[in-house]
Amino acid sequence: SQQGEEDPQALSIQEGENATMNCSYKTSINNLQWYRQNSGRGLVHLILIRSNEREKHSGRLRVTLDTSKKSSSLLITASRAADTASYFCATGRGNEKLTFGTGTRLTIIP
Amino acid sequence: DAGITQSPRHKVTETGTPVTLRCHQTENHRYMYWYRQDPGHGLRLIHYSYGVKDTDKGEVSDGYSVSRSKTEDFLLTLESATSSQTSVYFCAISAVQTTGELFFGEGSRLTVL
Repeated sequence: SQQGEEDPQALSIQEGENATMNCSYKTSINNLQWYRQNSGRGLVHLILIRSNEREKHSGRLRVTLDTSKKSSSLLITASRAADTASYFCATGRGNEKLTFGTGTRLTIIP
Repeated sequence: DAGITQSPRHKVTETGTPVTLRCHQTENHRYMYWYRQDPGHGLRLIHYSYGVKDTDKGEVSDGYSVSRSKTEDFLLTLESATSSQTSVYFCAISAVQTTGELFFGEGSRLTVL
């Protein structure tokens, strides 16, 4: 079963707007990661946030984590056409295995 | 980019035939993983390895076996392929257990007729 579930499943926005995706998970975690997947390619790691962190930034990315609600959000500011991709959250519980959600497909309209 | 190579990248085979997918890394990372990706299911872990000859099952391991005789190679074998194993298979590697940041290969698309 999936540990994480992304919401929405699909999102279309105009270039320049901000995109927000959410991830909910079921059990306690050590860290939560976000990955991007361009069509036909492998996943690329974007950012990791640890369970004792509440917010993290990386360039145009902002990730928040609310462990009390077992949820995380990924904000992409000033979106670009190149941001069109699927985005996955993955949860880690301190062992070797990450568990991935089903993804949000983001389309940026030029 | 992390040095991960998957082969073959595309394969079409028939039900009942054996299939082996290879993952080769040049990063000397300890941890290696095989995932499958299917619409509506995201990525699901098949098997993983935490060292040479050290492997363990993931959540969808039935029908699959793996071997790791060298640090750089992780093989995924379908002993007798079924149509339900039609999928895109991704290999991933990781250097550090605690963070678990993964580097992915480009995927192997397998079609079982």
